[in-house]
Order: sequence, then structure tokens, then C-alpha cells
Amino acid sequence: ETGVTQTPRHLVMGMTNKKSLKCEQHLGHNAMYWYKQSAKKPLELMFVYSLEERVENNSVPSRFSPECPNSSHLFLHLHTLQPEDSALYLCASSQEWLALSSYNEQFFGPGTRLTVL
Amino acid sequence: RKEVEQDPGPFNVPEGATVAFNCTYSNSASQSFFWYRQDCRKEPKLLMSVYSSGNEDGRFTAQLNRASQYISLLIRDSKLSDSATYLCVAGGGYQLIWGAGTKLIIKP
Repeated sequence: ETGVTQTPRHLVMGMTNKKSLKCEQHLGHNAMYWYKQSAKKPLELMFVYSLEERVENNSVPSRFSPECPNSSHLFLHLHTLQPEDSALYLCASSQEWLALSSYNEQFFGPGTRLTVL
Repeated sequence: RKEVEQDPGPFNVPEGATVAFNCTYSNSASQSFFWYRQDCRKEPKLLMSVYSSGNEDGRFTAQLNRASQYISLLIRDSKLSDSATYLCVAGGGYQLIWGAGTKLIIKP
């Protein structure tokens, strides 16, 4: 399998549930990202991992907990979410993180469409 | 003020026409610029980077105006398959700032 994969593609959960989103990249990249995309809003960067270390946390509530066990895998653990957390969650990877100020393409997975009831 | 601002559209354009999008960014320290394309219910994919001198890729031309802090995308001879949302992105300080996108609908 190539590129960036995400599972599950769709998830419906109650506010008291615990679930995890999984992302895997087969591109040999060193940086991985979690984004949130809500309807008609810009992509919001949530977390950045570079060489398995978290380098950015954009004031994301603690009910979202990322985990990066190795450079190919990224998880987003979800706990006691709110209905306003319903959105498309996109994982992305790029060759390097520090090169973001230059022309460093991000490759996205297909996303997980999350609905919180 | 939004950091990267785009007209949300939709732009309804007949097939074969030329269409132009503009995007403004607020951070004058931004150093890298991109146009991504996102099809309905799909992930964003890089369309093209935007270089200071402007650049062209087939029917697509991107321009950067640093003085006015805007980026443009021109699509010539539009095809039905160009229908998508076009996302403007400005990078700098180890982060990409995304616009909300402009929706383009090409009509036969």
C-alpha cells in the first residue's frame, strides 16, 4: 500500500466513548500531522510530530491525545468529546518538518469523518 | 482578520473559460506559498507551489505579489474535471496557514 492511509474512514461516537484514529504513511517521511477540517473553515493544525517527537501542539483540548510510536504511525486518541468536535480529521506527512518554510509538500490521508452525538 | 482569506465562491464557470482566484495573507513574514486542490469528500492534494517570479504548469499559472500580500491562480481553458475547492496556503515559522478555500464549478 502506498501514500497515507487512515482508519476508520467514518466514526460515530457518544460523548462518553473512547476511540482512536490511526494514520500510517508509507512514504518514508519524517514529519506527521493531525489536522481538523470543519465545514467552510480552514484546516486547523492540531499536532506535529517530527522524528517521533511532538513539536507543535496548537492549544488543542486535552480530550485529544496524540501518540507517535514510530515515524510511520500516528494515532489520535479521543475521550469525552463534544458535539462541536464533529469534523473531518486529516493526517498528513512531509519529508521534513523544519523545511516547512521552504517548498515541502504535505501528503494527506483520506481522513476520518467523525460525528459526536 | 483571517490570516489567509479567500472568496468562498462558488464560482460557476462554463467549460473552456478562464477563471482567476485571489488569496490574501496577513503575515508578511510568510515565505512559502501553495495552491492545493480538494475534491468533494476527498483529501487536499498539492496543485502547485507559488514562486516569487510566478510559475506556470500547463493550464495553471500562479503569481505572488509580496507588496500587496496576495497570491493568484489562473486556470485557462477550464475542464469539467477542474471542479473542486482550491485552497490557498501560506507558510512560515514552521507552520502552514490555510485558507477556507474557493469552490469552483465548471459547467458543460
